[in-house]
Formats: sequence, structure tokens, C-alpha cells
Amino acid sequence: DGGITQSPKYLFRKEGQNVTLSCEQNLNHDAMYWYRQDPGQGLRLIYYSQIVNDFQKGDIAEGYSVSREKKESFPLTVTSAQKNPTAFYLCASSILIWTSGRHNEQFFGPGTRLTVL
Amino acid sequence: QKEVEQNSGPLSVPEGAIASLNCTYSDRGSQSFFWYRQYSGKSPELIMSIYSNGDKEDGRFTAQLNKASQYVSLLIRDSQPSDSATYLCAVNWGYGNKLVFGAGTILRVKS
Repeated sequence: DGGITQSPKYLFRKEGQNVTLSCEQNLNHDAMYWYRQDPGQGLRLIYYSQIVNDFQKGDIAEGYSVSREKKESFPLTVTSAQKNPTAFYLCASSILIWTSGRHNEQFFGPGTRLTVL
Repeated sequence: QKEVEQNSGPLSVPEGAIASLNCTYSDRGSQSFFWYRQYSGKSPELIMSIYSNGDKEDGRFTAQLNKASQYVSLLIRDSQPSDSATYLCAVNWGYGNKLVFGAGTILRVKS
């Protein structure tokens, strides 16, 4: 089955600890995204990548890092510099339309719920 | 500042009624508009996309776009209790591939 997988489903972090969230897709999508969702709020973009070995900061990149070594994978590391990391983390992917941004339909994985102990 | 505004609700409608969800956006250069449905504790699911002014229908869902007024809406006909969820409006930012999401409208369909 084609889709986006995220692991783990739940993650607990201690203060001062770095943790890495996994995101894998087998949809052959070029672009991948990481969002954060806090209760009662919309999604906020952390990082995105349109091509292997390249990625750009989103609106709230501080305290996070990513890599894109393979087209299928876009892991997110939540570092100890992120002061309030408790949130629902969502990975998405889409085909890449360069011309006008039309048809940029993003599809989401099931998410990882991160809690700081 | 790119913004997408939605009424947080909750919007309560009786079963079988039409639910109307609204969204306004600030970026006049936006080209693509999306509605996602999100059940409690789950990830968003894409239900409609619209790119041109006017209406687009898909089953019980109709998306309406008015670029001059910077307004996009979602109509759900014959609402069912299973439609109870948070509906997120998303707008692409200018000509890039990034999306800006509204905070969502909670819909409750009462049987």
C-alpha cells in the first residue's frame, strides 16, 4: 500500500534530550514537510524539502533539525534547544509543481505525539 | 503576513442539514485552496481542493472559491454524525509549495 508512515506514534522526552521522529513515504513524492500542531491550533510549518539533500526552514524552525538523504525519508530531530516541544508532529508529502503551485495536494502521515516529561 | 482565518465554532447542525464552513485568506497571490477534515487525535485528511473561481462538487461536498473577495467555503450536504470533526482550510503561499493553515472550525452534527 502506498502511503506515509511515521514512527513512533507516541514519544516521551526528558528535559535536555534530543529525539528523532521518523517519516517515510512510498508515494514517489518529491516534496516532504514537517508540521507542528498544538491543541486548538492549526498546523505550523517547521521544515520542508523539495529535493534530496536540500531543505528550507519554515515558520518555526528554531530548535529543530532535519535531513533529506533519500527521497523517501525526511526525519525530524527535536533538539534540547526547543523549549516547548510537547505537540502533535505531522509529516506530509506532495508532488512538486514548479510553475504556479497549483495542485499542491499534501497528504499526511498518522502523526507522532511528543510529550516532555 | 500570511493569514488564513476560520471561525473556530463549534458549528452545530442537525443531521441531514447543510453545514457551511467559511475561510478567508490574506495573500492575493494564492492559487491553490484545500479543505482537510481532522478527527480528534488523528491526522488531517484531504477532502477537497479548488483552484478556480466558482464551485467544485464532490459527492456531498461543495467547495466555493471567490478570489476577488479572498474567500473560500465548504458546504456539506445531508450532514451525518460521522461528519463531526475539525475542518481545516489551507491556502498555498504565493507561488510556492508551502501551505498556510487556518486554526480550523469544529463541526458537530447532532442526530
